[in-house]
Formats: sequence, C-alpha cells, structure tokens
Amino acid sequence: DTAVSQTPKYLVTQMGNDKSIKCEQNLGHDTMYWYKQDSKKFLKIMFSYNNKELIINETVPNRFSPKSPDKAHLNLHINSLELGDSAVYFCASSQWTGEYGYTFGSGTRLTVV
Amino acid sequence: QQPVQSPQAVILREGEDAVINCSSSKALYSVHWYRQKHGEAPVFLMILLKGGEQKGHDKISASFNEKKQQSSLYLTASQLSYSGTYFCGTARTTGNQFYFGTGTSLTVIP
Repeated sequence: DTAVSQTPKYLVTQMGNDKSIKCEQNLGHDTMYWYKQDSKKFLKIMFSYNNKELIINETVPNRFSPKSPDKAHLNLHINSLELGDSAVYFCASSQWTGEYGYTFGSGTRLTVV
Repeated sequence: QQPVQSPQAVILREGEDAVINCSSSKALYSVHWYRQKHGEAPVFLMILLKGGEQKGHDKISASFNEKKQQSSLYLTASQLSYSGTYFCGTARTTGNQFYFGTGTSLTVIP
C-alpha cells in the first residue's frame, strides 16, 4: 500500500501546454505539500495545505495552481508550461506539527521541450 | 532562509565515519534529516526538537545546538547503503514554514 502516491511518474510535454500532477496520501496526515527539485537538487517548497486550506504559497508563478479537494488529495495544475519548469516535483504529507517527519511521493519528472 | 550544509560532497571508504553540518541564520524549533538516493524520493531519518536530546538509530545519529542554530548528522562505520544526498530541514515553530538545506552528496566506496 503506497503511502503517498503521485501520478504520472514522467511527463514530457511541449512549451505552452497545460498539465496536471495528482497526489494522494493514505496516512491520515492533515498537511500536504508540493516541492520542486531542480537539476542542482535544491528542494524548494511551493505550496502547503492544512486540512484543505492553503497555508504556504511561496513565490511561485501564478501559472501554478494547487487544488486540494480533501485532506488526502493535493493536485498541481500548471498552465502555459515553460522550459524552466522542467524539474522533479514531489508531493509530501505530514502531521501539522511535522514531528514524525514528511513522507514523500516518488516524484514526477517533468520535461518541457 | 535556506539552511546551509557542509560539506557539499564527501567520499568515504566503507567503515569510515562522516559528519554533515547544517547551519541556519534563524532561531530554530526543529531540525529534520533526510536521505535521498539517486532517482528516489527523500526518506525521513530523524527529527530533533528544541530542548530535545541527541537522537540516533543504528550507526546514524544527530545533534542539535539551539544556541548556534546548528545541527550535525553523524554516520559511523559507513556502509555502501549510506550513499545518497543528505538534506537537513529546519522549521522555526511547529507547523511553520519548513526549508530544506543545500544538500550533501555522500558516496561510500568499497
């Protein structure tokens, strides 16, 4: 039973397209996150949701829009994809306190051509 | 606000020890440590809380110096399976924004 599952694992698309990445967790956590990992391996927080409420919205282009239909799901929609959006996107979840750590999904490698 | 890790990269022979440091410019409430193997997701190793004790399991342990806003990860008698990139992550309060460090690539060779 996968704790945090993301789909798709790979996404290759052309500039200008719109794409979505889905994430689901079955751990009963109340907080979910999107992280972007670039080619230098920096893990940068993009968004976090606690019980479906947006908590963190880092400086991310508004082409990126997260949606959390319930506390077990957090999806990421990206409009008008650009070359610079190519990266690995990780979904993660935790309890609000974070005291048991974050559990990450396996990642989505997005390549924009 | 991203914590800085040192060294950036280290190569060890099996059985050698290593220390990875994580420094923040802000007062911290908690420090997490994660290991990420190539092509995989980061995996949680441990958390250290302000006022808490040094933690560890097996041959990996960590300390947290609140006054210096620093944490160190200690790997003793390294094994090939320890290879990967290690990240610290820091938060200033419970539920606060959490920032990952710059990462340390650790390679263990036979």
